Amino acid sequence: EDKVVQSPLSLVVHEGDTVTLNCSYEVTNFRSLLWYKQEKKAPTFLFMLTSSGIEKKSGRLSSILDKKELFSILNITATQTGDSAVYLCAVKMGNTGKLIFGQGTTLQVKP
Amino acid sequence: EPEVTQTPSHQVTQMGQEVILRCVPISNHLYFYWYRQILGQKVEFLVSFYNNEISEKSEIFDDQFSVERPDGSNFTLKIRSTKLEDSAMYFCASSESPDTQYFGPGTRLTVL
Repeated sequence: EDKVVQSPLSLVVHEGDTVTLNCSYEVTNFRSLLWYKQEKKAPTFLFMLTSSGIEKKSGRLSSILDKKELFSILNITATQTGDSAVYLCAVKMGNTGKLIFGQGTTLQVKP
Repeated sequence: EPEVTQTPSHQVTQMGQEVILRCVPISNHLYFYWYRQILGQKVEFLVSFYNNEISEKSEIFDDQFSVERPDGSNFTLKIRSTKLEDSAMYFCASSESPDTQYFGPGTRLTVL
């Protein structure tokens, strides 16, 4: 059965801390891995990763994929209260674009 | 910046009633999707749609569900006879290619 597992499920840190969120997967017909941030409602797109070892960066966020060990990490440096959200990892399969989501990591950043 | 929109934001219905959830994907996108998220659970894939036909559907997407692109802009999800367990947040997503998907704000469906 295709599955995506995220860890930890929840995390509480203080502003300025660095966090690492993990995503491991076991799927058939892997195409890419995506990270989303979900605050109130819609998941908003952060990164799409298709190749191993190539880091993607956007400001204080970065992510990398290891296709041999079947995992990805999302790093957030110098966290701010606005980073508080649920972070979702999803794996895209095949040619239809179906996404399989993990259960999410709830990040709370305290002032 | 273009975005996916969905209406209504919240729909309350009685069990057994039909509901239609509406989505306007980003205008140049060709691939369309519906997902749902039951409160406290994972986001789950329902269906993907390309070139005016369903390209893949999940086990959840049974005969009670249907999708349609009635014109050049709207993409709808119909649930024919709602059940209590259909209560969830329903997200529409669209993409230019079967890669990055952009999600709408969702419709919260409450079945009483």
